[in-house]
Order: sequence, then C-alpha cells, then structure tokens
Amino acid sequence: GAGVSQSPSNKVTEKGKDVELRCDPISGHTALYWYRQRLGQGLEFLIYFQGNSAPDKSGLPSDRFSAERTGESVSTLTIQRTQQEDSAVYLCASSLAPGGYGYTFGSGTRLTVV
Amino acid sequence: RKEVEQDPGPFNVPEGATVAFNCTYSNSASQSFFWYRQDCRKEPKLLMSVYSSGNEDGRFTAQLNRASQYISLLIRDSKLSDSATYLCVVNMGPNDMRFGAGTRLTVKP
Repeated sequence: GAGVSQSPSNKVTEKGKDVELRCDPISGHTALYWYRQRLGQGLEFLIYFQGNSAPDKSGLPSDRFSAERTGESVSTLTIQRTQQEDSAVYLCASSLAPGGYGYTFGSGTRLTVV
Repeated sequence: RKEVEQDPGPFNVPEGATVAFNCTYSNSASQSFFWYRQDCRKEPKLLMSVYSSGNEDGRFTAQLNRASQYISLLIRDSKLSDSATYLCVVNMGPNDMRFGAGTRLTVKP
C-alpha cells in the first residue's frame, strides 16, 4: 500500500486479556519500529526490526510485550495479560534504511485497557 | 541529562509571528537529525531533515549546532495551521532514533 497500515485503529480490552496489534509497512521498507505514546506524552521506543537481523528489543517494558516480523513484511506486537498502564497509542513506523532516513508512521492503534 | 530534550511549551503566538524551538541532545556522535510535526490525536509526520549546513523549506528553517549539541527550528510568518506539537528526533546509534517529548505550538488569530 501507499502508507503504513495499522490495525485495529481502536481496541478496548479487559485487564488481563491478551491483545495483538498489526502493522503493515510500506513495501520495500526494510526497517520497522514500534513506539508507544501515552496521552500527552512523547514517543517511547519499543522495538526495532531491520530485514532478517535480530530485532532490537531494548525498549520493551516487560516480558508481557513481544513482537514478530517475518522478513520485510507484516509485524505483530503482542501484549499479554494487559494492564491499565498499557493504555496508549501504539505507533508503527517504517523506513527505507535504519538510522539516517526519516520514518513514515501509521495512524496508530489506540489501546484502552479497562 | 535526557537523550533528547525539548521545551514542552506551550508556545502561544499570534499569526504572523516568528517562533523558534530548540532541542538539545546528549550523544555527541549523533549524525541524523529530524523535525517531525504531530497534530492532535494524529501520527507524527516528517517535517524536515536537519543538515549540518542548515536548511530551509519555505517558512521553516532548521539548524544544527554540533558544538553545543542542539538543533533548532524557526518558523516565520506563522499560520493558524502551524499549530501542532513539534518533535525533535536524533539518532543515538545505528538502530536507535530517539524522539523528544515535543514542543506544543498554538498560533492564534
């Protein structure tokens, strides 16, 4: 597609349930990032994928968070046993190459844990 | 010191005003710098890259000061539509682009 696509756009879940968020990057973009943005706050880096290299998971806040990406295609971010503090907008971005190029963001998934 | 630090604002300016934002960064080895714009409840969008020699795009001018480790964004003749949060982005390593928390700008008629 023309842009980065994320689904669902909104998700309300009960505390303790697992959720899966999806990101479909721009075709040909080798780098894919997940960020979290809590209400009124800045972006928080979660995880980074570059081609078939091992992902940089240094930003994942706990072992309840995991992400996968197959090659240079779709990525899924999974949050297990959701907590209220997980409520945020989860943004995915892709880039032609790591580091030196601008990112294109998807419109995000707004997660609300009740 | 935070890796990337911005004045959160808000900056409230009248239409036509000139406004400038600074962003400081901690890693002297950083090589890539960007300004992003984020509208309320929207995703960030790339506004402009920041080059060593400074660069201009219409009413927007970005500058880099490596010695003092800051970048700046200058907006001239501000418009109502410039109201947004402006995010500074700096690379901390090959795989690590860090976003500042953003500076909120409101342009008033």
